[in-house]
Amino acid sequence: GNSVTQMEGPVTLSEEAFLTINCTYTATGYPSLFWYVQYPGEGLQLLLKATKADDKGSNKGFEATYRKETTSFHLEKGSVQVSDSAVYFCALSPISGYALNFGKGTSLLVTP
Amino acid sequence: EAQVTQNPRYLITVTGKKLTVTCSQNMNHEYMSWYRQDPGLGLRQIYYSMNVEVTDKGDVPEGYKVSRKEKRNFPLILESPSPNQTSLYFCASSPLGTGSYEQYFGPGTRLTVT
Repeated sequence: GNSVTQMEGPVTLSEEAFLTINCTYTATGYPSLFWYVQYPGEGLQLLLKATKADDKGSNKGFEATYRKETTSFHLEKGSVQVSDSAVYFCALSPISGYALNFGKGTSLLVTP
Repeated sequence: EAQVTQNPRYLITVTGKKLTVTCSQNMNHEYMSWYRQDPGLGLRQIYYSMNVEVTDKGDVPEGYKVSRKEKRNFPLILESPSPNQTSLYFCASSPLGTGSYEQYFGPGTRLTVT
């Protein structure tokens, strides 16, 4: 079946540090891949997405590239801010439907 | 403003007392879904609906019911809640046919069953 594995948290970084959150997936064909972000006390918001191999999704300084050969979709940001503190979820949507398979989430804390 | 709304946002109830969590979206989306979020488990799908009167089970449907009588509403019903249904619940919606599969989430409902 489909599954998403992302790195365990929590991740604690100083402001302006480089961020990488690893995400790998198992799925047949070419699923769509997503990163969602959940700020404290809020629902999930789409951060970025990629729908085919080698696509790069980007938003708010975050980037992730759809790597079919390594079945990965790692999230990166060059310089994190305190306001980026949140839980980040990697997810996939299989080609056969709309159900989202989520990773378990990675909590990020950015300190001043 | 395009949004998914859920009510109530917080609910404490007792075992066996029937409850309904409402979900409504104003984006004319065909697809709607319910998830529960538990620590260490991420989000798991409970039920989903592809359109009015079309619903189907997700990964963890036991103990839940849903209905889709109108396109905008997708209530989640717990007919006899139990403590293991204490969780954070999210409703989501998505348009069909766009090819993006992006889902829009509500703010969440935190349910405690004692």
